[in-house]
Amino acid sequence: EAGVTQSPTHLIKTRGQQATLRCSPISGHTSVYWYQQALGLGLQFLLWYDEGEERNRGNFPPRFSGRQFPNYSSELNVNALELEDSALYLCASSPGVGRADNEQFFGPGTRLTVL
Amino acid sequence: GENVEQHPSTLSVQEGDSAVIKCTYSDSASNYFPWYKQELGKGPQLIIDIRSNVGEKKDQRIAVTLNKTAKHFSLHITETQPEDSAVYFCADNAGGTSYGKLTFGQGTILTVHP
Repeated sequence: EAGVTQSPTHLIKTRGQQATLRCSPISGHTSVYWYQQALGLGLQFLLWYDEGEERNRGNFPPRFSGRQFPNYSSELNVNALELEDSALYLCASSPGVGRADNEQFFGPGTRLTVL
Repeated sequence: GENVEQHPSTLSVQEGDSAVIKCTYSDSASNYFPWYKQELGKGPQLIIDIRSNVGEKKDQRIAVTLNKTAKHFSLHITETQPEDSAVYFCADNAGGTSYGKLTFGQGTILTVHP
């Protein structure tokens, strides 16, 4: 069974540009989560999507947004990039609908570098 | 939810020794406690988890204990091997406004020396 996949692996942008990151969950999973892992720091929760709806959002500015498609894949958009947005962006998926204690399985991440 | 403190930040052991990592959480509504292993250049891998209605769970060389009264949980790795070297993260998941969100500790860099 394929795990969570993310694309691209690496992304280099300049300050002020927009970045789009993509995630495909494990087959059968309906929930997708996005986390930011800045260098030397732990994982910070960004967004949770389930059945196409945004269910919860972390303490990030509105320029971080996303969506979930009918096939449960997801996209994270970061507008007006700032240098401090440079980080590893991790996507996770979980089975079931509306269960907060679902196991979350992570993809390999997208390394975003803002110059 | 809220805050998770993880200790130690680095841990160095000899092959065959045991390793223990401890986490303390602040949200009394927390009900799910996973542990992740992250190797260099990879995403975190779920290695074991425990729910609030259980005090201990074991899977081969790995075990997790939960003390709800004291609000702390620990990861125990026995008979460590060099391939156990990685960064380990604890996390918790609460309800309410934290629904669906995992709050992570800052990580422990475990080094197992052959």
